[in-house]
Amino acid sequence: AQKVTQAQTEISVVEKEDVTLDCVYETRDTTYYLFWYKQPPSGELVFLIRRNSFDEQNEISGRYSWNFQKSTSSFNFTITASQVVDSAVYFCALSEATGTASKLTFGTGTRLQVTL
Amino acid sequence: NAGVTQTPKFRVLKTGQSMTLLCAQDMNHEYMYWYRQDPGMGLRLIHYSVGEGTTAKGEVPDGYNVSRLKKQNFLLGLESAAPSQTSVYFCASSPNLAGRYEQYFGPGTRLTVT
Repeated sequence: AQKVTQAQTEISVVEKEDVTLDCVYETRDTTYYLFWYKQPPSGELVFLIRRNSFDEQNEISGRYSWNFQKSTSSFNFTITASQVVDSAVYFCALSEATGTASKLTFGTGTRLQVTL
Repeated sequence: NAGVTQTPKFRVLKTGQSMTLLCAQDMNHEYMYWYRQDPGMGLRLIHYSVGEGTTAKGEVPDGYNVSRLKKQNFLLGLESAAPSQTSVYFCASSPNLAGRYEQYFGPGTRLTVT
């Protein structure tokens, strides 16, 4: 069975600090996909990134970066120079790539609070 | 292009009442999903559909039924609402295997059962 663990329930930082959100996953599949979604206070879910299990390259998009390490089954998310607008709940999710429908297994989320 | 829409946005039900949540997508996606989000538990899959006329159970299907009569619509029904079904419900769609594509989510429906 798949499992995603986000051990950090809530993180508070001051604006301009860097912050890393941890994600650890479990799967028996050799091919799988990992995702990060953002849920701002307005409630919608915003897709941030998808990574497949064959691509261990780190990804950088502006102030956001992701570190995927298969050896430790981790897919961590770093926000550099955080801003108040980054305040949200962030979800890590895992999808298997086999079967007729791949379903997302979500972690329980990390609430990030960025203050001035 | 509205993406994924959900109707209604909010609803209050009394225990035992029934209701249907409507999800519509205009992206011609094959796959559609219903999730519920509860505090501290992330999103959990209720039911999903891999195409018009097909449905399948997810992680927490009890107390819910679904139908996919048209490709663009996915309905979630509660036949006899219970307080345990108080939650935020999200619909999502994806072009094909969700593993290869991200899921696009609707804005959510906040349901309270008293």
